[in-house]
Amino acid sequence: EAGVAQSPRYKIIEKRQSVAFWCNPISGHATLYWYQQILGQGPKLLIQFQNNGVVDDSQLPKDRFSAERLKGVDSTLKIQPAKLEDSAVYLCASTLGRGQGGTNEKLFFGSGTQLSVL
Amino acid sequence: EDKVVQSPLSLVVHEGDTVTLNCSYEVTNFRSLLWYKQEKKAPTFLFMLTSSGIEKKSGRLSSILDKKELFSILNITATQTGDSAVYLCAVEGYGNKLVFGAGTILRVKS
Repeated sequence: EAGVAQSPRYKIIEKRQSVAFWCNPISGHATLYWYQQILGQGPKLLIQFQNNGVVDDSQLPKDRFSAERLKGVDSTLKIQPAKLEDSAVYLCASTLGRGQGGTNEKLFFGSGTQLSVL
Repeated sequence: EDKVVQSPLSLVVHEGDTVTLNCSYEVTNFRSLLWYKQEKKAPTFLFMLTSSGIEKKSGRLSSILDKKELFSILNITATQTGDSAVYLCAVEGYGNKLVFGAGTILRVKS
């Protein structure tokens, strides 16, 4: 079974530039998540999609971050403009069902994109 | 606000040692607690715990949950260098939200 695919693996940009990350979840997984993991911290949920609808984006800094999952399959996360504090690993994860980490719905993570903002 | 605290922050042991990692939590409407192993970037699932006192085991790893005292432990026996990783604890609470702890960095020396 193919896992969650993310690209690029690494990205270095200067502050105020824009950047986009791509994620393709495991085939058939309806729920997709974007997490931000700052060095030394645990992952923090940015946005959760159920098919092509947003379930939770309460922690997404909407003035600079946007995400879409137009066809309910792959997803793009964008930052515009980037700030120094956006330097982090951006993890995408997916599950089969509606919940998050609930019974029999463990998250499958991609390898992440490491973003450095200089 | 939901909170997950892991200890210790980091740990260095020798091969063959046994380690115990701790996770305490304060979560509204607890549903489950999960342990992940993170090597490089992608966390991989280890255990999901929902009931107190029932130990889950997988090889040299085991975990148990205490819902009264609001904590869980992850034990690794006969550690190997391949166990070196960050171990993340996450708790599912209100609204099915997963809250992660900061992780414990484990380094196993040969």
